[in-house]
Amino acid sequence: GAGVSQSPSNKVTEKGKDVELRCDPISGHTALYWYRQSLGQGLEFLIYFQGNSAPDKSGLPSDRFSAERTGGSVSTLTIQRTQQEDSAVYLCASSLVLTGDYEQYFGPGTRLTVT
Amino acid sequence: LAKTTQPISMDSYEGQEVNITCSHNNIATNDYITWYQQFPSQGPRFIIQGYKTKVTNEVASLFIPADRKSSTLSLPRVSLSDTAVYYCLVGDYREGGADGLTFGKGTHLIIQP
Repeated sequence: GAGVSQSPSNKVTEKGKDVELRCDPISGHTALYWYRQSLGQGLEFLIYFQGNSAPDKSGLPSDRFSAERTGGSVSTLTIQRTQQEDSAVYLCASSLVLTGDYEQYFGPGTRLTVT
Repeated sequence: LAKTTQPISMDSYEGQEVNITCSHNNIATNDYITWYQQFPSQGPRFIIQGYKTKVTNEVASLFIPADRKSSTLSLPRVSLSDTAVYYCLVGDYREGGADGLTFGKGTHLIIQP
């Protein structure tokens, strides 16, 4: 089956604009994660969804960032009033989260450039 | 939240065995150890996961001593295509929540001919 997909693959936006990034997880995966990776850096956890539980938003860097997951599947990460420091690759991953299997499957990412 | 420490970079040559060690002194009883590999312009890819002793799969082995305060990823007979960043994660994400979802900067492994 298909892997995790993300859209758009690249997004260039002007400072102050809002952007929406989309993630389509692997069908049947109950957990979904968003990360941010700045150039040359490791992955920074943003938010985690697991089934119908309230999401873990502990990694969101500011209240300009929000995410939702509709119907337990597709997720959208929204960044309001973008700033230049928001420029990064935004990665989405999903996992099945069965006992003993927590492997995260990553999408190709969305490269966001704020000018 | 268990913190991990890895070397920033390592060099090796084709055909050699490469061992990357990760320190996690405050690992908790329910924490698992997971390693990911990332190539440029791609998302990370799962390599191996373990809890204690030794785990082996078709691409790597993971050695975990009895005290579990460190772990070593072993890549047998590396090739140029193993040049990548390797991340060690430690945490218990079975119950939900973000514990353990800290990738850090990883180890940049460079394989030379």
